Amino acid sequence: GQQVMQIPQYQHVQEGEDFTTYCNSSTTLSNIQWYKQRPGGHPVFLIQLVKSGEVKKQKRLTFQFGEAKKNSSLHITATQTTDVGTYFCAGTRSGGSYIPTFGRGTSLIVHP
Amino acid sequence: DGGITQSPKYLFRKEGQNVTLSCEQNLNHDAMYWYRQDPGQGLRLIYYSQIVNDFQKGDIAEGYSVSREKKESFPLTVTSAQKNPTAFYLCASSDRGSSGANVLTFGAGSRLTVL
Repeated sequence: GQQVMQIPQYQHVQEGEDFTTYCNSSTTLSNIQWYKQRPGGHPVFLIQLVKSGEVKKQKRLTFQFGEAKKNSSLHITATQTTDVGTYFCAGTRSGGSYIPTFGRGTSLIVHP
Repeated sequence: DGGITQSPKYLFRKEGQNVTLSCEQNLNHDAMYWYRQDPGQGLRLIYYSQIVNDFQKGDIAEGYSVSREKKESFPLTVTSAQKNPTAFYLCASSDRGSSGANVLTFGAGSRLTVL
């Protein structure tokens, strides 16, 4: 079945440093979504990417979708303590059902 | 406010007992889902339903059962057949989607501990 791999599992940064998490799929995706889960909370939708090579920005967050639509990344510039949480990518297989498959997530720890 | 309500938030049960987790949504979404979250495992799909009176098994359906008698409600029963039921359970809903993906709205979760 479809697999979505996400790395790293954990990332410690000093406040102000940049952070990147990577997502790779074993199959071509029709789109990819990103969610954030704060400690003790539930996942909250951040963004969806649909087009090959698409790049979207939300303030300090930059999301990219690969040209082959098999990989994606989330980059945070100048992290803040409010960025702490686990970031999940979720890919929907091209030609498959509409159900996204989640990666295992990357937990970001920001040290003040 | 529109949203998803899960109850109870915390639940303790003895081994061998069935437990039912409630999930109600007032977003008028057609599709509903149950995920299980364990540390380091991400979100694994247990069951989903895209329409009333119909549901499909996800990746880890063994030991679980669901029903979808109303659009707003999608309860999950964790049966005694589930070998390792202690986990955080998340319910979600979405529109059926026409763009090739369903954007999920999650409830706050139910944490089940089996003693």
